[in-house]
Amino acid sequence: GQQVMQIPQYQHVQEGEDFTTYCNSSTTLSNIQWYKQRPGGHPVFLIQLVKSGEVKKQKRLTFQFGEAKKNSSLHITATQTTDVGTYFCAGPETSGSRLTFGEGTQLTVNP
Amino acid sequence: NAGVTQTPKFQVLKTGQSMTLQCAQDMNHEYMSWYRQDPGMGLRLIHYSVGAGITDQGEVPNGYNVSRSTTEDFPLRLLSAAPSQTSVYFCASSYWAGGPYEQYFGPGTRLTVT
Repeated sequence: GQQVMQIPQYQHVQEGEDFTTYCNSSTTLSNIQWYKQRPGGHPVFLIQLVKSGEVKKQKRLTFQFGEAKKNSSLHITATQTTDVGTYFCAGPETSGSRLTFGEGTQLTVNP
Repeated sequence: NAGVTQTPKFQVLKTGQSMTLQCAQDMNHEYMSWYRQDPGMGLRLIHYSVGAGITDQGEVPNGYNVSRSTTEDFPLRLLSAAPSQTSVYFCASSYWAGGPYEQYFGPGTRLTVT
């Protein structure tokens, strides 16, 4: 079945440093979604990318969807302590009903 | 709107007991799903539904049953609880447009099976 992999599993940064997490799917995705989960909380939707090669920005966050629609990345510029949490990517297969999540990247930010 | 609600928030079961985790949404979403979250394993799909009367299995369906008699409700039943089912359970819902889109998650149920 479809597999969605994320690297790294953990990332520790100093406040002000940049952060990137990568997401790779074993199959072509119809879209890629990104979520953030704060410690003790539930996942919260950040963004969805649909088109091949698409790039979207939300303030310090930049999201990319690969040309083959099998990979994606989330880049945070100049991290802040409010960025702490686990970032998940998720995607349905083309014409699929299942939404498969990656294992997530847990980000800690040292002030 | 209350969004997605889940009850109970916490539950302790003994091995072999059964119970139902409740999930309800008031956004008229067609798509609903259940995930379990274990440390270091992300969110794993248990069951999902694309509308009332339609359910299907996810990655880890064994030991769980679901039904979808209304658009609003999607209960998850544990048939005979086992310690391996100790986890945090999240219910989610979204619009359906040929695929699942932005997921709205409930606050979760923390289940411990002893």
